[in-house]
Amino acid sequence: AQKITQTQPGMFVQEKEAVTLDCTYDTSDPSYGLFWYKQPSSGEMIFLIYQGSYDQQNATEGRYSLNFQKARKSANLVISASQLGDSAMYFCAMRYNYGGSQGNLIFGKGTKLSVKP
Amino acid sequence: DGGITQSPKYLFRKEGQNVTLSCEQNLNHDAMYWYRQDPGQGLRLIYYSQIVNDFQKGDIAEGYSVSREKKESFPLTVTSAQKNPTAFYLCASSIGTGTQIAKNIQYFGAGTRLSVL
Repeated sequence: AQKITQTQPGMFVQEKEAVTLDCTYDTSDPSYGLFWYKQPSSGEMIFLIYQGSYDQQNATEGRYSLNFQKARKSANLVISASQLGDSAMYFCAMRYNYGGSQGNLIFGKGTKLSVKP
Repeated sequence: DGGITQSPKYLFRKEGQNVTLSCEQNLNHDAMYWYRQDPGQGLRLIYYSQIVNDFQKGDIAEGYSVSREKKESFPLTVTSAQKNPTAFYLCASSIGTGTQIAKNIQYFGAGTRLSVL
């Protein structure tokens, strides 16, 4: 069964430094998608970045980059130059690409990031 | 502005009562989803709909019901059969569910927080 694991319940980072949030996944399907979402205290889930299983290059979106290591089944989020507004919960998610549930996401339990001034 | 609107923001349910959470989108998306989030947890899928007049059970559908009579609307009813309804409920939508859509990002509303009186 597909599974997403985020092993860091909480992380602290100094403002302006980079931080890596870990995500490992488990699937036997060759085709899948990996997503990162940010959830501030207001509750809304904000899409950050996407990586397809067949993408040759690591995804980047502004200060966000995804360190995709397919053989290790890891998809770590890297946030460069942290800002106070980055303090939030971060969720890693995987999308099924096969079967009746294709398009659906499964989520990890999240990592709470706190940025210190 | 295009987006997903959930209402109400806060909802209280009395024992034995059914309550309905509203979700409306003006993104012209075909697929819509309902998730439940408990404290310190990731999101779990309740129901999803790939097209009007069709919907499927997710991982935790017991005690919930949905309808999809219009493309824009996907209301969720929390029935009296749901014995532990206190949670944060998030609605999402995406262009579709097919894998021909490379990213097929799910976009979320601001959520409804449901509590039991």
